[in-house]
Amino acid sequence: GAVVSQHPSRVICKSGTSVKIECRSLDFQATTMFWYRQFPKQSLMLMATSNEGSKATYEQGVEKDKFLINHASLTLSTLTVTSAHPEDSSFYICSAKGLASGSSDTQYFGPGTRLTVL
Amino acid sequence: GQQLNQSPQSMFIQEGEDVSMNCTSSSIFNTWLWYKQDPGEGPVLLIALYKAGELTSNGRLTAQFGITRKDSFLNISASIPSDVGIYFCAGLNGGATNKLIFGTGTLLAVQP
Repeated sequence: GAVVSQHPSRVICKSGTSVKIECRSLDFQATTMFWYRQFPKQSLMLMATSNEGSKATYEQGVEKDKFLINHASLTLSTLTVTSAHPEDSSFYICSAKGLASGSSDTQYFGPGTRLTVL
Repeated sequence: GQQLNQSPQSMFIQEGEDVSMNCTSSSIFNTWLWYKQDPGEGPVLLIALYKAGELTSNGRLTAQFGITRKDSFLNISASIPSDVGIYFCAGLNGGATNKLIFGTGTLLAVQP
């Protein structure tokens, strides 16, 4: 149980376009979802926390107008990278926490989405 | 953002050897977690520690939650080639924010 999926797994786009990444909790209801960014050979850095039905809370230095997060249901959160530029190229990983087996504090991670902006 | 310091940064060992890595923080955490990340994948939870002093095993893996709540270590015994990957510690600060803070990672390479 506690499976989190992400779509797409890889995306390549042109500079200036927008890209939407989906994060789904497949077998549990995620009251909270988290979005992380990981640059090559670096650790995961939290970008934002989103609770179902409310606005996301962004970490310091993360532009909320550039990284739009929507958490409209208990099983789906989306991250839209608007007007993407090459420096936005990274590995984006979501995690979900909620009514799953085990501790309610446990975050279950998705497989990640590799974004490459040309 | 805040990060936990992990050491060593990388390890290159022979199959069968034991491995030890640790994680330290200037802040107290209520929960320590250890994850493994394979290339191009999301992190997978290995062990979760909830109490200071707690020692927990998962197969060949053993982890401990430091008494001061500012550190943790992970041991892997009798390493095998599939242990290759990046190991991250993570601290959960609890409370209203309840955010995971990740360590800097330890790259493990195992030579058959």
